[in-house]
Amino acid sequence: NAGVTQTPKFRVLKTGQSMTLLCAQDMNHEYMYWYRQDPGMGLRLIHYSVGEGTTAKGEVPDGYNVSRLKKQNFLLGLESAAPSQTSVYFCASALPLGSLFFGEGSRLTVL
Amino acid sequence: GQQLNQSPQSMFIQEGEDVSMNCTSSSIFNTWLWYKQDPGEGPVLLIALYKAGELTSNGRLTAQFGITRKDSFLNISASIPSDVGIYFCAGLLKGRRALTFGSGTRLQVQP
Repeated sequence: NAGVTQTPKFRVLKTGQSMTLLCAQDMNHEYMYWYRQDPGMGLRLIHYSVGEGTTAKGEVPDGYNVSRLKKQNFLLGLESAAPSQTSVYFCASALPLGSLFFGEGSRLTVL
Repeated sequence: GQQLNQSPQSMFIQEGEDVSMNCTSSSIFNTWLWYKQDPGEGPVLLIALYKAGELTSNGRLTAQFGITRKDSFLNISASIPSDVGIYFCAGLLKGRRALTFGSGTRLQVQP
């Protein structure tokens, strides 16, 4: 049972480039989330989804887009990467009102 | 957004010592959760609390849901080297579908 899987694990981008982070979960969870983690800032919510075909903005959504075309997948896109988006990104999934299960993280560096 | 104030930011203790950390907020939460993050990994759930005043243990860990519903505490007894990591509190506000995380407490244990 893989749980929550994120790809890629590491990526280096140049300013202005675009990329997509993929999150896949095999637990049939309704809810999925994207967080970013920066030193001393804890985990900040970027976007989330409460079901297939639905997405909502979190605390820090600017510069990111998401899609939930399939229940098991939640994609996070950066259209034009900026150095301020250098961070570790975590995907999580949950049942409604349930605890979050996290992936191992994706470390992104924007030069 | 809603803020959780987590303290202390970091702790350096000797093996065998007890540890206490807490989270406070000006808002009322319906659920409090405590997560641990090991280096290079995603956070893992330690304890979940669902009722005001609830006291729950998981091995050497004990957490409490504050009576006012605005705070929570985590205690670790007889610390061991593998307790090293970052501990996060997280809370769920009424009507919300995403957790709010504290900024984390970094714990180091000297053997």
